[in-house]
Amino acid sequence: EAGVAQSPRYKIIEKRQSVAFWCNPISGHATLYWYQQILGQGPKLLIQFQNNGVVDDSQLPKDRFSAERLKGVDSTLKIQPAKLEDSAVYLCASSFLTSGGPDTQYFGPGTRLTVL
Amino acid sequence: AQSVTQLGSHVSVSEGALVLLRCNYSSSVPPYLFWYVQYPNQGLQLLLKYTSAATLVKGINGFEAEFKKSETSFHLTKPSAHMRDAAEYFCAVSASNQFYFGTGTSLTVIP
Repeated sequence: EAGVAQSPRYKIIEKRQSVAFWCNPISGHATLYWYQQILGQGPKLLIQFQNNGVVDDSQLPKDRFSAERLKGVDSTLKIQPAKLEDSAVYLCASSFLTSGGPDTQYFGPGTRLTVL
Repeated sequence: AQSVTQLGSHVSVSEGALVLLRCNYSSSVPPYLFWYVQYPNQGLQLLLKYTSAATLVKGINGFEAEFKKSETSFHLTKPSAHMRDAAEYFCAVSASNQFYFGTGTSLTVIP
C-alpha cells in the first residue's frame, strides 16, 4: 500500500513570496489533515478535510493560508505571502474513517519550508 | 478543551536500559490517546493508541503504554532500549473530533 505522498520535500523562498505544497493521501482515505510543525514543537493542526469539505480550519491563518481538496482526493496548501515565522515542516496526514474517533492518522514525509 | 504535556524534552538512556517517556493529558471528555515516533527527516509513525478498551496498550517495536485515568497519564515504556529507538516521540490526544500533539521528547540511546 502506497503511503501519503508530499511534494516538494524542501522549499526555500523569500518573505512575501508565495508557495504551494501538494499532498496525495492513501487511496480510500476520506479524511486529510495539514499540520505545521515548527522546530522544537509538536505538529499543530491547520486544517482537516472530510472528502472535499472542511471539518476544522480554526487554526488556519486565513489571511495568508489557503487549502483545497477539490475532488476529495489530493490537496494543496498555499501560503501567500509568506512570513519568516512560516518556516516549518508542513505535514500531511490521512485517515480512513469519516468521523471523529480513535482513527489512525498516516503521515507523509513532510515539506520543509525555509523563509528568508 | 484538550491538551497534552510531555515532561522532559530530552531523555537519554543507555542501550538495554528501561525507556520511560512521560505524557499527561487534559480532556473534558473521555479521550483517545496516541504515541507517535518521528525518525529524522521522516513523517510520524503510529506506535500505539488507547481507545477505551484495555488500559495497557501494546504497540510496535516493543513499546507499551498504560492509561491511568486517576493520574491523567499515558506514559510510554520499553523494557530495553535499542540504538534504533533514538528518535522524537510525540504524545497526542483526540477528543471531540479534535487532535492535539505534545511538544515531543527526543530520545537518545547511549551505546
